[in-house]
Amino acid sequence: DGGITQSPKYLFRKEGQNVTLSCEQNLNHDAMYWYRQDPGQGLRLIYYSQIVNDFQKGDIAEGYSVSREKKESFPLTVTSAQKNPTAFYLCASSQDRASDGTQYFGPGTRLLVL
Amino acid sequence: GQNIDQPTEMTATEGAIVQINCTYQTSGFNGLFWYQQHAGEAPTFLSYNVLDGLEEKGRFSSFLSRSKGYSYLLLKELQMKDSASYLCAVMDSNYQLIWGAGTKLIIKP
Repeated sequence: DGGITQSPKYLFRKEGQNVTLSCEQNLNHDAMYWYRQDPGQGLRLIYYSQIVNDFQKGDIAEGYSVSREKKESFPLTVTSAQKNPTAFYLCASSQDRASDGTQYFGPGTRLLVL
Repeated sequence: GQNIDQPTEMTATEGAIVQINCTYQTSGFNGLFWYQQHAGEAPTFLSYNVLDGLEEKGRFSSFLSRSKGYSYLLLKELQMKDSASYLCAVMDSNYQLIWGAGTKLIIKP
């Protein structure tokens, strides 16, 4: 079965610590995305990647970093510079951004600060 | 700025019909999406409209009017499992999805 997986489901971060959220897809999609979801707000784009070894900042990239070394994988690191990291993090992928931009989501990672 | 508006919460009765509205102001338009999101879960794709008119898919239909910057999602024969948030998103001229805050739909027996 094709799909998107994210791990872990829950993640706890201590102050000053960097944490990495995993996202893997086997849909053979070119484009991948990271969103943050906070209560009462729409999804906000953190980073996106249209192709391997390339990625672009979204609307709220500060305090986050990503890599795209493989087509299937798009990990997100929440750095200590992100002062309010508590949120639900969603990874998504699409065939590409233009001709078929329908995005499919992984199950999400809930990040909590200790 | 870019803006997507949808009601925060709606209540409906099992077996009835409900219409969830979405209005948008965006920099360009490359299609409008509706997603369903159950509490604590990821959004799942429901529908995509890029031309004016009604798209029907089983109990769910989605309508678009580009001239009015308006869409609605129509849910028929409501079931308890339809209790969820419904997210409206518009793809702008840069092919970026702009998301509404979502409409929480509560179904009562």
